[in-house]
Amino acid sequence: DAKTTQPPSMDCAEGRAANLPCNHSTISGNEYVYWYRQIHSQGPQYIIHGLKNNETNEMASLIITEDRKSSTLILPHATLRDTAVYYCIVRPTGNQFYFGTGTSLTVIP
Amino acid sequence: DTAVSQTPKYLVTQMGNDKSIKCEQNLGHDTMYWYKQDSKKFLKIMFSYNNKELIINETVPNRFSPKSPDKAHLNLHINSLELGDSAVYFCASSQTGGSGANVLTFGAGSRLTVL
Repeated sequence: DAKTTQPPSMDCAEGRAANLPCNHSTISGNEYVYWYRQIHSQGPQYIIHGLKNNETNEMASLIITEDRKSSTLILPHATLRDTAVYYCIVRPTGNQFYFGTGTSLTVIP
Repeated sequence: DTAVSQTPKYLVTQMGNDKSIKCEQNLGHDTMYWYKQDSKKFLKIMFSYNNKELIINETVPNRFSPKSPDKAHLNLHINSLELGDSAVYFCASSQTGGSGANVLTFGAGSRLTVL
C-alpha cells in the first residue's frame, strides 16, 4: 500500500471549514483514497473515498489533485462533534486497510 | 439494529486466562476483520476472513485464534493472556468486489484489560 503523510494535529474554529491534507506521493493508478475518522472511544467511521475525481457526500468533500499525489478532506462547517482523529488511507481494490497515525482534529468553540 | 456488534464491550481478566470476544455483522458482508488498537492508538489489522476462510494473518502470536462459524460471525479467542494483550479490539466487515468501494464498517470495540 502507498504510504500517507498527515499532520499529527490541527485546530479548527467551530462553524468554519476544516481542511485536512494528506500526502500520498507514491500512490499507484489503481489505488483509491479513503478517509475514516475515529471519535474518542468509538470505532472508526467511514467518511468518503475517491479515485481520481473530487467527491462530495453528506459528511464531507474530497479534493484529489490532478497528479493524485495529495488530497484534502473538507468538512464544510465543522462542529464540536467533528473532533476526532482523521485517517487517510490509500489502497488498491481488494487489499486490506492499513491505518497510519492520522490527524487529530480539535474543533474549538 | 447495530450493523457490527461486539461482545463484551469491556473485559477485565487476569494474566494466564483464556478469553473470547464475539463479533456479528448483519450487513450481509462477505469479509470480516479483527483490528487491535493499543495504548498508543495505533490501529493494526490482525486477521481477515473472507467467506469463513482466513485470508490475512498479520504477525500475531499463536495464542490468538480467530474462528468464523459462518460469514456473519468472526470470534477471537485468546489463550494465556499477557499484559501486552491489553488493548481495544475492533471487529469490522466489508463486501469485496464491485467498483472498488470496499468500505469497512467497524464495531464499537471491546476493551480488554489484563491484570
